[in-house]
Amino acid sequence: GAGVSQSPSNKVTEKGKDVELRCDPISGHTALYWYRQSLGQGLEFLIYFQGNSAPDKSGLPSDRFSAERTGGSVSTLTIQRTQQEDSAVYLCASSLVVLVGETQYFGPGTRLLVL
Amino acid sequence: AQSVTQPDIHITVSEGASLELRCNYSYGATPYLFWYVQSPGQGLQLLLKYFSGDTLVQGIKGFEAEFKRSQSSFNLRKPSVHWSDAAEYFCAVGLNTGFQKLVFGTGTRLLVSP
Repeated sequence: GAGVSQSPSNKVTEKGKDVELRCDPISGHTALYWYRQSLGQGLEFLIYFQGNSAPDKSGLPSDRFSAERTGGSVSTLTIQRTQQEDSAVYLCASSLVVLVGETQYFGPGTRLLVL
Repeated sequence: AQSVTQPDIHITVSEGASLELRCNYSYGATPYLFWYVQSPGQGLQLLLKYFSGDTLVQGIKGFEAEFKRSQSSFNLRKPSVHWSDAAEYFCAVGLNTGFQKLVFGTGTRLLVSP
């Protein structure tokens, strides 16, 4: 497909376990973004990548959260020692370049439930 | 701090009636404004965006939005709503922080009655 894809679509885990969420951006898009959508916080920015570099990690809620991007393509968001408050939908988006005004195209999200 | 307010959590509109979803922003500079729609189980789809120029912006699916600087508003409109428009709508401001960070409103859920 030509859009942003994310896997898994749903993930149920136990408190304290680590999880990895994957994002495949649109081919050729240099910018990649992670957002979190939760009932209490709405849609919030987590981190973005320009190529493989993450210049702004200010949105990551704690040091249990990390992300990487390899080959300027696939990105993985890792949450260590998950907590119940991590339950949310994690959305990935990509854009052609990192410029204000560029359209960010969103994937369908990964719904994470921490029991 | 920059923020986006969508005062209506839920709106119900009859099919065929007109629609207006409200959005107010707080941002010091000229804003970059967006409206996204999210259908159940789907990601966000861009409806339209505004950067400068004509304050009335046309988007996909028959939607339009008008930027009013004096009111700090960017309301979304559609003259005739279809049942398939039932979804959640998000207004967002694009902040120029060296990259484009989107700050979203809390969303408005649109219900369409027959």
